[in-house]
Amino acid sequence: GNSVTQMEGPVTLSEEAFLTINCTYTATGYPSLFWYVQYPGEGLQLLLKATKADDKGSNKGFEATYRKETTSFHLEKGSVQVSDSAVYFCAPDPPGAGSYQLTFGKGTKLSVIP
Amino acid sequence: GAVVSQHPSWVICKSGTSVKIECRSLDFQATTMFWYRQFPKQSLMLMATSNEGSKATYEQGVEKDKFLINHASLTLSTLTVTSAHPEDSSFYICSAEPGLIQYNEQFFGPGTRLTVL
Repeated sequence: GNSVTQMEGPVTLSEEAFLTINCTYTATGYPSLFWYVQYPGEGLQLLLKATKADDKGSNKGFEATYRKETTSFHLEKGSVQVSDSAVYFCAPDPPGAGSYQLTFGKGTKLSVIP
Repeated sequence: GAVVSQHPSWVICKSGTSVKIECRSLDFQATTMFWYRQFPKQSLMLMATSNEGSKATYEQGVEKDKFLINHASLTLSTLTVTSAHPEDSSFYICSAEPGLIQYNEQFFGPGTRLTVL
């Protein structure tokens, strides 16, 4: 089956620090890979995605590269801001016909302090 | 961009009553909608997949008679929690997948927080 292992939090960083949130997955075939963000009191928002090997997804200064050889999709940001404080979810979506069914990681809570 | 709304955003009800949650795709047609629940400090767990005009597909361990899903149109799916109990208190989130254009992603609603007293 499909599963995802995400770095456990909470993670607390000072503003402008470098961020890495690890994510590895197991899936049949070559899934599309997503990072979602959930700000306090809100629903999920798509942060970035990559649909094939070596693709790099990027948005709002965040990046993640689809690494087929290590089945990983680590999230990085060079300089975090207080407004980045949120919970981040890694989610692979296995390929195949029909609707996409995401498998979510447990989420990593990030707190950025001034 | 594609917007999904949920109503209500929060609801408090007495044990034994039923609660209906609506999920709407505002600017696109969604042939498929998904319902998730999220417990505090937990990840999202898929409850069911809802296809317009057909019965929902429930994940293992989810009671279909307790969580009634109706996807009556291409822009509306409803989740009814019947005879709610305190253990049903959770954050319920829906998502929708556009049908006509291959977006390759789901668009999430803001969630509904259910508290059963």
